[in-house]
Amino acid sequence: AIQLTQSPSSLSASVGDRVTITCRASQGISSDLAWYQQKRGKAPKLLMYDVSTLESGVPSRFSGSGSGTDFTLTINFLQPEDFATYYCQQFNSNPRTFGPGTKVEIE
Amino acid sequence: EVQLVESGGGLVKPGGSLRLSCAAAGFTFNSYTMNWVRQAPGRGLEWVASISGSSSYIYYKDSLKGRFTISRDNAKNSLYLQMNGLRAEDTAVYYCASGTYRFDNWGQGTQVTVSS
Repeated sequence: AIQLTQSPSSLSASVGDRVTITCRASQGISSDLAWYQQKRGKAPKLLMYDVSTLESGVPSRFSGSGSGTDFTLTINFLQPEDFATYYCQQFNSNPRTFGPGTKVEIE
Repeated sequence: EVQLVESGGGLVKPGGSLRLSCAAAGFTFNSYTMNWVRQAPGRGLEWVASISGSSSYIYYKDSLKGRFTISRDNAKNSLYLQMNGLRAEDTAVYYCASGTYRFDNWGQGTQVTVSS
């Protein structure tokens, strides 16, 4: 099974900051990667897929990059509603593994 | 509007069984792969199982094979997860989600608690 790691596991940031989260796969997954946002007590929400394609309605301050084994989620001009936990997920093979998550907290 | 509504969760004793359901609306259900994802208290997301639109392809997390069974009824726009031999470590919120190469819609989740 393909393993995903995320770094950092948590971070503190302020409104207006730029935040970068990294997701690394244990083997190449081409561009078969999605990112989700989960707020406390809520279901996850798809942010982007195919590494960098934004889901409809997701603000353009979110962006993604990478290919192969190393991927990045960037949030520009962090907003209060962006404080949440972020997960990557690979779709290259089954099982459809998730990363362990990165919690973005208010500094 | 796409809606996914899970039901069937609850408190069950170790070794017991539960059948979760997910009612879908607002999209062509039989065209979509459907999935179950769970989240233990304070933990991350864990993919459980997937089933293709025609039920031709079914995949499970290795450690759950033999205890969990995913199925669907396209005539009823419904997805199911039969869980047998439940253990304390199966305690989690169970979500259904639609999609093959991204999980683009999620239900609100149903709580499963395994405890004596």
